[in-house]
Amino acid sequence: EVQLVESGGGLVQPGRSMKLSCAASGFTFNNYDMAWVCQAPKKGLEWVATISYDGSSTYYRDSVKGRFTISRDNAKSTLYLQMDSLRSEDTATYYCARHMGITYFDYWGQGVMVTVSS
Amino acid sequence: DIQMTQSPASLSASLGETVTIECRASEDIYNGLAWYQQKPGKSPQLLIYNANSLHTGVPSRFSGSGSGTQYSLKINSLQSEDVASYFCQQYYDYPTFGGGTKLELK
Repeated sequence: EVQLVESGGGLVQPGRSMKLSCAASGFTFNNYDMAWVCQAPKKGLEWVATISYDGSSTYYRDSVKGRFTISRDNAKSTLYLQMDSLRSEDTATYYCARHMGITYFDYWGQGVMVTVSS
Repeated sequence: DIQMTQSPASLSASLGETVTIECRASEDIYNGLAWYQQKPGKSPQLLIYNANSLHTGVPSRFSGSGSGTQYSLKINSLQSEDVASYFCQQYYDYPTFGGGTKLELK
């Protein structure tokens, strides 16, 4: 069974940093591209970033370029999202998802809430 | 960015009814479209990919169709467990999602 378990969320002040983690199990992690998708409270879904199966390529939405960094440790089957210079508009639930060939997202974690507020 | 416009934004239907949700892309996405179901307080779950392919384990009452810029999700014989929000997503370009359709029981 595919499982994705996020951790690391919480309350953070504007301008500060936070790092999210996603522990994967139930599939061969290093065979799959992975992504982060966010959802602001009572809003729709927004793709944030994607990393290729081997970590050699990364892709970001414009609003997070230069502030967020997606990475992975295939030995630990873990995906990361380093979020720097956080803004109030980054407040959202962040989901880790398996990104099938950088197309659709076939499995999602339960999500972790990030609140950016002073 | 490719804009995805979903309609209706909300929908009320009776048990056993057939429901259709539409999604329009701002340009041709060549069947690069997925549909997701999100129940309250839960993460999204993939229903349909490549516009009309059913994801593993999804009931056959769900179906997808369309081409070009116009796509639809149909739910036959609505069940109580189908109460949820539904989102479309294009992947012809960097992923973008529709605004969602909230489905409730009448």
